Amino acid sequence: NAGVTQTPKFRVLKTGQSMTLLCAQDMNHEYMYWYRQDPGMGLRLIHYSVGEGTTAKGEVPDGYNVSRLKKQNFLLGLESAAPSQTSVYFCASSPYQGLRYNEQFFGPGTRLTVL
Amino acid sequence: EDKVVQSPLSLVVHEGDTVTLNCSYEVTNFRSLLWYKQEKKAPTFLFMLTSSGIEKKSGRLSSILDKKELFSILNITATQTGDSAIYLCAVYTSGTYKYIFGTGTRLKVLA
Repeated sequence: NAGVTQTPKFRVLKTGQSMTLLCAQDMNHEYMYWYRQDPGMGLRLIHYSVGEGTTAKGEVPDGYNVSRLKKQNFLLGLESAAPSQTSVYFCASSPYQGLRYNEQFFGPGTRLTVL
Repeated sequence: EDKVVQSPLSLVVHEGDTVTLNCSYEVTNFRSLLWYKQEKKAPTFLFMLTSSGIEKKSGRLSSILDKKELFSILNITATQTGDSAIYLCAVYTSGTYKYIFGTGTRLKVLA
């Protein structure tokens, strides 16, 4: 199992450009999450999905869109990148949220710089 | 508003020291508290705690939850340079499907 993978690992954008970050998991997990991590800020939730075809806003959703057309993939889009979106982006997944088990599994991260 | 607060924000110790990291929370519908270790890349899972007073242990690391006082501690004994990392605390709440993360504690262990 590859676990959670993210593409690309690094990217540099100019202000106003668009891009899509891809997250894929092969663990048949129901729930998927996109976070951004900035120095001194911990992990902040951007958007999440509780199943194929569903998405919801997290703590910092502005400037981002997401889609979950297939259960194993969760895409994060930046329509018009801004320097404030320079960050490290992590994707995570977790299985059905039963009573006892709700660990999150993280991808390796994407380092995005917007100039 | 739900929040998770970790302290200290950063800590520098010498090899062999014992450290205690703190995580306090104010959330509705608490389900579980999770500890992660983050080195250069993705956070890796350490512990999940759901019940008060039951200590989880893994080698030199241990953690305990106090649901009455709303906090958890992560202890690391006989620290090694390989323990240098950011330690993240997260709380999962029922019904929201979301994890609320603290800002993390950056631990540096000097040889």
